[in-house]
Amino acid sequence: QKEVEQNSGPLSVPEGAIASLNCTYSDRVSQSFFWYRQYSGKSPELIMSIYSNGDKEDGRFTAQLNKASQYVSLLIRDSQPSDSATYLCAVDAGGTSYGKLTFGQGTILTVHP
Amino acid sequence: GAGVSQSPSNKVTEKGKDVELRCDPISGHTALYWYRQSLGQGLEFLIYFQGNSAPDKSGLPSDRFSAERTGGSVSTLTIQRTQQEDSAVYLCASSLGLAGGHETQYFGPGTRLLVL
Repeated sequence: QKEVEQNSGPLSVPEGAIASLNCTYSDRVSQSFFWYRQYSGKSPELIMSIYSNGDKEDGRFTAQLNKASQYVSLLIRDSQPSDSATYLCAVDAGGTSYGKLTFGQGTILTVHP
Repeated sequence: GAGVSQSPSNKVTEKGKDVELRCDPISGHTALYWYRQSLGQGLEFLIYFQGNSAPDKSGLPSDRFSAERTGGSVSTLTIQRTQQEDSAVYLCASSLGLAGGHETQYFGPGTRLLVL
């Protein structure tokens, strides 16, 4: 069974700090990786996608992918209270599993003023 | 443009009744997905439609669950003889459906189903 594991949290950081969210996946052939943000009572919203090893930056967000270690992370710089949400790591294994996102359980992030 | 829309936003039903949940994908998106999010199970894949191909139903939890997609656009998820464990948020997503992978799925607001 394909699994996606996230650091359990909850994670609490002060405003302005860096929040680090981690995710590991079991299927070595996974091809596409996504971070979604979900506010309470709302649907998931895409934050970042990453497909190649290395870092990908978008504003305050940086996604990091290491396929050899089967590890993907999300860094949020200059964290703001509005970043407080559940962050979901999602993996698309591709191949015959193409289109089926497998989600981690989510990490609850709280940014306190 | 409009995002993915779902209806109803909330549904309360009695155990044993059938329910239909509707999803309208983003215009031009050929791929459509249904997921379920519940407290104990997180976000789980249910079914995937791509164009005119046969749907991937591998995530449907039982034969009480079925889905169809008419005209390559709107989709309906039907749950027959609902059970209390079916209570969850049912999320629909769509993507462009391009060959080659790396598709980003965009989620609708969900339908919150409560089975009494």
